[in-house]
Amino acid sequence: GDSVTQMEGPVTLSEEAFLTINCTYTATGYPSLFWYVQYPGEGLQLLLKATKADDKGSNKGFEATYRKETTSFHLEKGSVQVSDSAVYFCALSPAGGTSYGKLTFGQGTILTVHP
Amino acid sequence: DTAVSQTPKYLVTQMGNDKSIKCEQNLGHDTMYWYKQDSKKFLKIMFSYNNKELIINETVPNRFSPKSPDKAHLNLHINSLELGDSAVYFCASSPRLAGGNTQYFGPGTRLTVL
Repeated sequence: GDSVTQMEGPVTLSEEAFLTINCTYTATGYPSLFWYVQYPGEGLQLLLKATKADDKGSNKGFEATYRKETTSFHLEKGSVQVSDSAVYFCALSPAGGTSYGKLTFGQGTILTVHP
Repeated sequence: DTAVSQTPKYLVTQMGNDKSIKCEQNLGHDTMYWYKQDSKKFLKIMFSYNNKELIINETVPNRFSPKSPDKAHLNLHINSLELGDSAVYFCASSPRLAGGNTQYFGPGTRLTVL
């Protein structure tokens, strides 16, 4: 079945440091790929997404590129802020089939940014 | 003007009890979901409904019964609660049942079974 693997956390950075959170997936065809963020005590919100190979999603300084050849969707930000401290989830949604529309999540990566 | 709302936010109850969690979305979406987040933050889908019709049922114990009275509501009823049911339950919605659609999540309901 479909699966998503994220780099182990937690990740602790100083403000203005460069961030990379690795995400790889296993799925048939061309799934849609997402990064969701969960701030403390809140629900998840979409950070960015890409629906086809080589697409780049971007939002709030975060970027991720859909790489079919490496089945990856790594999240990057050039300069993190304290307000970026949250849990980040990589997820995929299949291209079709009986699980159409279902999100499969990675295990989440806790990011803490210190001033 | 909350897009996806859930009640209650916190639910503490004894083993063996029956409880319900309600979810409402005011986005006009056709599709709604329930997810369970365990203590390690792992998220797993439980159910999805499209236009009030059950689409996905992910091998959830039949003590869990979703009910969708209309497209804007998807409630979750849990019978005979067990310790292992303690988790945060998230409701979500999306415009329609499609792979690339963004899902919009509610704030979550933290269920604690004692």
